[in-house]
Amino acid sequence: QAHLVQSGAEVKQPGASVKVSCQASGYIFTSYEISWVRQAPGQGLEWMGWISAHNGNTNYAQNLQDRVTMTADTSTSTAYMELRSLRSDDTAVYYCARIDLSFYYGSGRPPFDYWGQGTLVTVSS
Amino acid sequence: DLQMTQSPSSLSAYVGDRVTITCQASHDIATYLNWFQQKPGKPPKLLIYDASNLETGVPSRFSGSGSGTDFSFTISSLQPEDIATYYCQQYDNLSFTFGPGTKVDFK
Repeated sequence: QAHLVQSGAEVKQPGASVKVSCQASGYIFTSYEISWVRQAPGQGLEWMGWISAHNGNTNYAQNLQDRVTMTADTSTSTAYMELRSLRSDDTAVYYCARIDLSFYYGSGRPPFDYWGQGTLVTVSS
Repeated sequence: DLQMTQSPSSLSAYVGDRVTITCQASHDIATYLNWFQQKPGKPPKLLIYDASNLETGVPSRFSGSGSGTDFSFTISSLQPEDIATYYCQQYDNLSFTFGPGTKVDFK
């Protein structure tokens, strides 16, 4: 049974950066990708991007690619999402989720089958 | 960029009702369409993957269909625990997009 545990809530000032962690357990970390999804208060889900825990390849949403960096530490089975130049509209709950892109090549688990509990990031002066 | 439309944005129904939500992609995505359920304060939960496949452990009253650009999601008999927001999500060229969501509650 996979399990993803995220870091705690953060309060940041506009213009600052935030780094959220997502520690995986219960599966082989390097066999999957980790995707990040955010949800502003009262709003829908926004896909942010993914990182391969195997080789570090990334793919970011176009509207965030200038400000976001996703990394993975295989020694601790932990993925990270850093968002820079924070604005008030970045206030949201940030989720990590496990995905398996090999699913789209005919094998593997369907994506987004396990999620972290979410991390609230508040951007306020 | 792929755009997703989802309708209705909200609906009210009685326990036992059949509920259907539709999702439309701006171009052909084959069957690369997933459905999620989200309850307040919780992460989304995968219900249906690849348009029509039920995720393990998900009750059989949930179903999905469609291919290409037009998809639907059905709850055959609405239960109290089904009150939630439902999202479609597409996969296209290594990227994902969520629909705007449908909030389901009781009449």
